[in-house]
Amino acid sequence: TQLLEQSPQFLSIQEGENLTVYCNSSSVFSSLQWYRQEPGEGPVLLVTVVTGGEVKKLKRLTFQFGDARKDSSLHITAAQPGDTGLYLCAGARDDKIIFGKGTRLHILP
Amino acid sequence: DSGVTQTPKHLITATGQRVTLRCSPRSGDLSVYWYQQSLDQGLQFLIQYYNGEERAKGNILERFSAQQFPDLHSELNLSSLELGDSALYFCASSVAAPKTGELFFGEGSRLTVL
Repeated sequence: TQLLEQSPQFLSIQEGENLTVYCNSSSVFSSLQWYRQEPGEGPVLLVTVVTGGEVKKLKRLTFQFGDARKDSSLHITAAQPGDTGLYLCAGARDDKIIFGKGTRLHILP
Repeated sequence: DSGVTQTPKHLITATGQRVTLRCSPRSGDLSVYWYQQSLDQGLQFLIQYYNGEERAKGNILERFSAQQFPDLHSELNLSSLELGDSALYFCASSVAAPKTGELFFGEGSRLTVL
């Protein structure tokens, strides 16, 4: 059983469209992180959300932490080909940093 | 550039062999994490070290072992290799043993077992 479930697994959309990907858990996390990974590279930290209900914006990316701190979402406005990549959520649990399997996003020009 | 260095970048070996993967953390980081990434399993946590001591263990096989040295670099040893061990192995570092998942990853070592 995956502690952090991400959906959808794959998403392919046209440039300029909006999209939302999700990270869900039945467990409460003190914080969640979002990473982006490009082919042949390691994951790169995008953001940390800490407070239930918190919303953070990074240019066209909006991250939200659920009120109960069990889930998070990432919304991308006007997606661009440069947004293509694997988006991973992660959380700390018993000194382990656990990752979801990720959403593989492909933006078509 | 995350500041985390992993060597080698690519490694091809045969079943039954033994390999060592090396990681140098970011300057000042005391914690080192090892992950295995395959297409079907995603990023699987293997083991974490903090300032030379093992701090947390994940789904690490008995054939695998790791250590962190006094200069804080770390090595992951994989022995009696099987075809299924083919994967990307990532090292990540952080300042302390964080309560958050804020890690800095190296570029990974791609292991192919033939």
